[in-house]
Amino acid sequence: ETGVTQTPRHLVMGMTNKKSLKCEQHLGHNAMYWYKQSAKKPLELMFVYNFKEQTENNSVPSRFSPECPNSSHLFLHLHTLQPEDSALYLCASSPAAGGSYEQYFGPGTRLTVT
Amino acid sequence: QKEVEQDPGPLSVPEGAIVSLNCTYSNSAFQYFMWYRQYSRKGPELLMYTYSSGNKEDGRFTAQVDKSSKYISLFIRDSQPSDSATYLCAMSGVSDYKLSFGAGTTVTVRA
Repeated sequence: ETGVTQTPRHLVMGMTNKKSLKCEQHLGHNAMYWYKQSAKKPLELMFVYNFKEQTENNSVPSRFSPECPNSSHLFLHLHTLQPEDSALYLCASSPAAGGSYEQYFGPGTRLTVT
Repeated sequence: QKEVEQDPGPLSVPEGAIVSLNCTYSNSAFQYFMWYRQYSRKGPELLMYTYSSGNKEDGRFTAQVDKSSKYISLFIRDSQPSDSATYLCAMSGVSDYKLSFGAGTTVTVRA
């Protein structure tokens, strides 16, 4: 495994639910990322945190709310999602946000919005 | 025009064949070029990276970058069924924190 864990691995939620995705990295990295992966599409960067500070919000709808309490943990809070938000959500980490070619990914959370 | 173009395949080859994958890109500022491998139900894992132009070899894998043509390639020699996966190209500029990904090419190596 890559040293980046994500829970839950699968999540089914209704459009009115509130849920959270959790990511933890055990690599001593300082940057963490959320990506969305939809079928046949490139990975879409959602958020970047560098030393716990958010450095990128890639025009993500407010129904997705990230939280980074420390450099090892990253959350994605979800509320009032839409069916088109169904996708694989991937967390990644890297030593720092600059020169980020070496990103390590978790296994992802497969989200289905009903 | 997409920033990174990658043929989604799928690509099916017999065991032992050479697998050839490629991506084209439009941003001339890209300096780091990566190949990630993603098995089903797993996250992507970094396979190889190359800085600027040139070739890099690692075992059965060879990565090539031609910046003049904005074209990168990955070759897998003596392919094995365990190489069956989706291969994603990615690239970034120096000091960038954002990686630009291709959509991925799904490869199946038949035993």
